[in-house]
Amino acid sequence: KAGVTQTPRYLIKTRGQQVTLSCSPISGHRSVSWYQQTPGQGLQFLFEYFSETQRNKGNFPGRFSGRQFSNSRSEMNVSTLELGDSALYLCASKRGSGANVLTFGAGSRLTVL
Amino acid sequence: GIQVEQSPPDLILQEGANSTLRCNFSDSVNNLQWFHQNPWGQLINLFYIPSGTKQNGRLSATTVATERYSLLYISSSQTTDSGVYFCAAEAGSARQLTFGSGTQLTVLP
Repeated sequence: KAGVTQTPRYLIKTRGQQVTLSCSPISGHRSVSWYQQTPGQGLQFLFEYFSETQRNKGNFPGRFSGRQFSNSRSEMNVSTLELGDSALYLCASKRGSGANVLTFGAGSRLTVL
Repeated sequence: GIQVEQSPPDLILQEGANSTLRCNFSDSVNNLQWFHQNPWGQLINLFYIPSGTKQNGRLSATTVATERYSLLYISSSQTTDSGVYFCAAEAGSARQLTFGSGTQLTVLP
């Protein structure tokens, strides 16, 4: 079966712009989580969505937001981009909010100039 | 929240050698996973192992939950094993994985 699909894979933006990233989970998976990976901070949790509801949120400013649709696909949005937002954004899915094994997508690599 | 520490940070091996990667965590866990990040950035599940021992080919993992550590063993390493290995843990009702800083493994031909 298809894995977790993230689009776009690469993108370049300038400071002040906004960006939207998309994640399609594995079929049947209803929980989607987002992580940010940077060389300085490593892998950090952004948020988790389950059944269109945000279940948990990491320590990121309000410029980072997300949502989940009824088909479990999720988007995350970053507004007013800063240079420090340059990162690999990884999406992961699991079957249910109480399930344990996360499966990750290939990531979206964002560069902010 | 839970703290996850990995060692060593870097490891360089000759092809065919064995290695042990360690992950220490600061709290009781209900989820512990090992991942391999490939050169393109994707995190590949290796093991879900909150306790006990598992083996998959040349890789095996052991988690001693009472002593709060997990070990990943790689035997007869190959150049394709190169990359970053991450341990990630979830404790209590956190509903999020906390990642260690990773071990960068380089296997030389």
